[in-house]
Amino acid sequence: SAVISQKPSRDICQRGTSLTIQCQVDSQVTMMFWYRQQPGQSLTLIATANQGSEATYESGFVIDKFPISRPNLTFSTLTVSNMSPEDSSIYLCSVRVRGQGETQYFGPGTRLLVL
Amino acid sequence: AQSVTQLGSHVSVSEGALVLLRCNYSSSVPPYLFWYVQYPNQGLQLLLKYTSAATLVKGINGFEAEFKKSETSFHLTKPSAHMSDAAEYFCAVSVAGSARQLTFGSGTQLTVLP
Repeated sequence: SAVISQKPSRDICQRGTSLTIQCQVDSQVTMMFWYRQQPGQSLTLIATANQGSEATYESGFVIDKFPISRPNLTFSTLTVSNMSPEDSSIYLCSVRVRGQGETQYFGPGTRLLVL
Repeated sequence: AQSVTQLGSHVSVSEGALVLLRCNYSSSVPPYLFWYVQYPNQGLQLLLKYTSAATLVKGINGFEAEFKKSETSFHLTKPSAHMSDAAEYFCAVSVAGSARQLTFGSGTQLTVLP
C-alpha cells in the first residue's frame, strides 16, 4: 500500500481567497490524482497530476480554478482559487503505486468550508 | 466508457445480521473492480479488489465480494455485521487502457442497529 498525507486536514476560508492543498506519498508512485467529494456525494475526478508537465483535467474542471503542480514523483499540490461556497467539499489525493497495477490508494482528505 | 451503479443509497442491518451491498458495473472490456469504505471524517480505505484472478475476493474486516460476469455484478457481503461496520461504502471500476480512470458509484451508507 502507500502512506499518503495531506495538509491541511481542514480549513475554513473566506469567499474570494485561495487555498493550496499538499499531498505527500511515501512510496514510488506511478500516477497521482485529485478528487472532489461534495457534501453527501460520491467522488469526482478533478485531474491527473503529471510530473513535470501540466495536469490533465476532466470535463468541468479548468486549470485557472484548480491549478495543480507535481514537481517530483511523490509530491503534488492542488490550489482552489477564488473560492466560493460551492467549493466547500472534501478534496482527496489518490495514487497508484509501482508494482500494484490499477489499485488506487487515497489520502485522508482536506475538508474545506468556504464562507 | 465504464460506469457503476450501487443499488440502495442507505442500507440498515441489525448487529450480527448479513450485510449485502449491491454493485453493478458496465464496461465494454474486462474491468477491475474495487470496494472502498469511508468512515466519518476520514478518507477512503481499500476493502478489496478484483483484478481478473479469483472471482471470489476476500478483503479486510471480514468482507468479501464475488465477481459475476454474467450478471455484471460485484456485490459486497459480510456474514455478521458489527457496529464498527457503520460507514459509507463505494464501489468503483477501472479498465486497462490509456485513460485508466477510476469511476465511482454513488455510495451506500450502512447503518448497523444494535
